[in-house]
Amino acid sequence: DTEVTQTPKHLVMGMTNKKSLKCEQHMGHRAMYWYKQKAKKPPELMFVYSYEKLSINESVPSRFSPECPNSSLLNLHLHALQPEDSALYLCASSQERVQSYEQYFGPGTRLTVT
Amino acid sequence: SQQGEEDPQALSIQEGENATMNCSYKTSINNLQWYRQNSGRGLVHLILIRSNEREKHSGRLRVTLDTSKKSSSLLITASRAADTASYFCATDPEGSQGNLIFGKGTKLSVKP
Repeated sequence: DTEVTQTPKHLVMGMTNKKSLKCEQHMGHRAMYWYKQKAKKPPELMFVYSYEKLSINESVPSRFSPECPNSSLLNLHLHALQPEDSALYLCASSQERVQSYEQYFGPGTRLTVT
Repeated sequence: SQQGEEDPQALSIQEGENATMNCSYKTSINNLQWYRQNSGRGLVHLILIRSNEREKHSGRLRVTLDTSKKSSSLLITASRAADTASYFCATDPEGSQGNLIFGKGTKLSVKP
């Protein structure tokens, strides 16, 4: 199974809502990633988890809160978002968080903040 | 921060033709990877080339890496309509511990 799944596929939320994005992989990968991708732009790294510990937080605003409950799951909790946070949120995983491993991406969650 | 820069930004070809995309980057790297993204979907890994490799093949894909020029190229031979997608190079800079930095991408359109 080389699949990374993400739910939901689409999410519309108001600026006062709290919602969560979910990501799951069953490849035994020990590194998981959250990316944000705006239209016609490349993915930008937000967070990296390695062995269920947060390794990288790329200066992401606190209204985004990641969580890694176990080695297969990755959540992104959203609260008090702004319209400019509307984007495609991609989850990825790799065997390890070191060089020479490709990343496997999920299909993404299309988020619209109204 | 952006590391890779693809060229051209957009490419339109006929089915059966070859497509070449280039990627330039700024700092020393551990490896360079190419990914494909169909419209609004997740990215699919195509090929990884290490800094000590010069050329790599995978099916109809050929990737070259010139570390002295800090550039890479992706060649898709005998293109098909299904190859229509955006293609991104992603570098793993030395010292980054595997954190990829994606270039702006090339949007390829293959017309039947």
